[in-house]
Amino acid sequence: DAKTTQPTSMDCAEGRAANLPCNHSTISGNEYVYWYRQIHSQGPQYIIHGLKNNETNEMASLIITEDRKSSTLILPHATLRDTAVYYCIVDPKETSGSRLTFGEGTQLTVNP
Amino acid sequence: NAGVMQNPRHLVRRRGQEARLRCSPMKGHSHVYWYRQLPEEGLKFMVYLQKENIIDESGMPKERFSAEFPKEGPSILRIQQVVRGDSAAYFCASSPYRGPVVAGYTFGSGTRLTVV
Repeated sequence: DAKTTQPTSMDCAEGRAANLPCNHSTISGNEYVYWYRQIHSQGPQYIIHGLKNNETNEMASLIITEDRKSSTLILPHATLRDTAVYYCIVDPKETSGSRLTFGEGTQLTVNP
Repeated sequence: NAGVMQNPRHLVRRRGQEARLRCSPMKGHSHVYWYRQLPEEGLKFMVYLQKENIIDESGMPKERFSAEFPKEGPSILRIQQVVRGDSAAYFCASSPYRGPVVAGYTFGSGTRLTVV
C-alpha cells in the first residue's frame, strides 16, 4: 500500500545540488509530505515537511507541485556526508494512527 | 538537551533468551514509537505508546513481543524466546504530539540485536 514512488538510487557530485523526486499521486488534502534520511547504520533523521507551499530550512528545500501529486527535495550544495537513503512519506495532518510508513527510499550517493 | 537515548547499542542473545531494549524519549516527549529494520530492508512500524498506554500495536508480531511505557522510566520493547529472525535494528522515536505534524519525529540511534 505504498503511497509514494521514488527512484531506487541517484548520484550527485559534491558541491552540486541534489534533486530527489517523489511521486505521491494519491495524496489526500489533509496529508503532509515529509522527508527523512537515514545515513548508514544510524537512526532516521527528519529533514523537512510541507503541505502546499514550498518550504526551506537549514538543511534543504521542498518543492511541491501545484496539484500536490509530486514533490522534489533539494539539497543545494551536497556534501559527502549527505550520502544516505532518503525517504519521502505522506502522512495526515490529523493522524489516524500516528505511524510513519517508510518505503524503499532513494539511495543518494554523493561523489567527490 | 539529550536526544532520544536507546540502550544498549548492541545486544547479542542466544536463541530462546529474552531481549530487553530501552528507549528514553526526549525531555518533554510523551509519545514513543518503535520501528524495526531487518537486514537490507526498510523501516517497519511496530508500536506507538503514550505514558502507560499502548495506542497502536498493529505492527507488533502477535507472539513473543511486548512493549510498555511506564509512568516513570524508559519505554521497554521486550522480545521473549528470541529466534534468529529477530536479528535486526530496532529504532525508537519520540514526539511531543500525537503525530509528526510539527517537526517530525526524533529517532534514536537504535539497538542492533543479534541472535546467535
